[in-house]
Amino acid sequence: AQKITQTQPGMFVQEKEAVTLDCTYDTSDPSYGLFWYKQPSSGEMIFLIYQGSYDQQNATEGRYSLNFQKARKSANLVISASQLGDSAMYFCAMREGANTGFQKLVFGTGTRLLVSP
Amino acid sequence: DAGVIQSPRHEVTEMGQEVTLRCKLISGHNSLFWYRQTMMRGLELLIYFNNNVPIDDSGMPEDRFSAKMPNASFSTLKIQPSEPRDSAVYFCASSFGDRPKHFGDGTRLSIL
Repeated sequence: AQKITQTQPGMFVQEKEAVTLDCTYDTSDPSYGLFWYKQPSSGEMIFLIYQGSYDQQNATEGRYSLNFQKARKSANLVISASQLGDSAMYFCAMREGANTGFQKLVFGTGTRLLVSP
Repeated sequence: DAGVIQSPRHEVTEMGQEVTLRCKLISGHNSLFWYRQTMMRGLELLIYFNNNVPIDDSGMPEDRFSAKMPNASFSTLKIQPSEPRDSAVYFCASSFGDRPKHFGDGTRLSIL
């Protein structure tokens, strides 16, 4: 079974608009962490934002926020005020288990975001 | 602070040759991960180490692949002999405790 599901292979958004990238996850572990990474065309993986399963508030990092709905097992990434430089692949990932130092992440298949002028 | 450093950035070689990918961890990190990214399979975890000890190598495709961590700051991933289906981008990532994982820029490997 897929642990991380990203149902949108591609998304288009106009510059300065907000966009939501979907991510649902599957785990029976009460302790887990959710990550979003950006991969521009140059290929590197850039960490964007992290949400722990016990965090009370939704994570935010600048223009990035994570809409964490625990009961629905979703962790959507919201990018506000899109910029042309936001065009990239976006990956959702999950770490299961308590903090043991073993950060085994499972990745979704990614969503390609294209921001148009 | 220096990030995770991978070398080479690009490697093109003929099938049958030995390929060695290198990774330097972020100072102070104690977990090291090798991932492979392809269009067909996405990002796959090959192996990860904690405190220099291999914890899970179930993602290593076959015996042609081997990974080592000779010290706390350095790792190698070796493919011998290489095959065209090994062509992919190979990422190394490091982390400490519960902190987010940091990736290197990847090695783009092409086996002809």
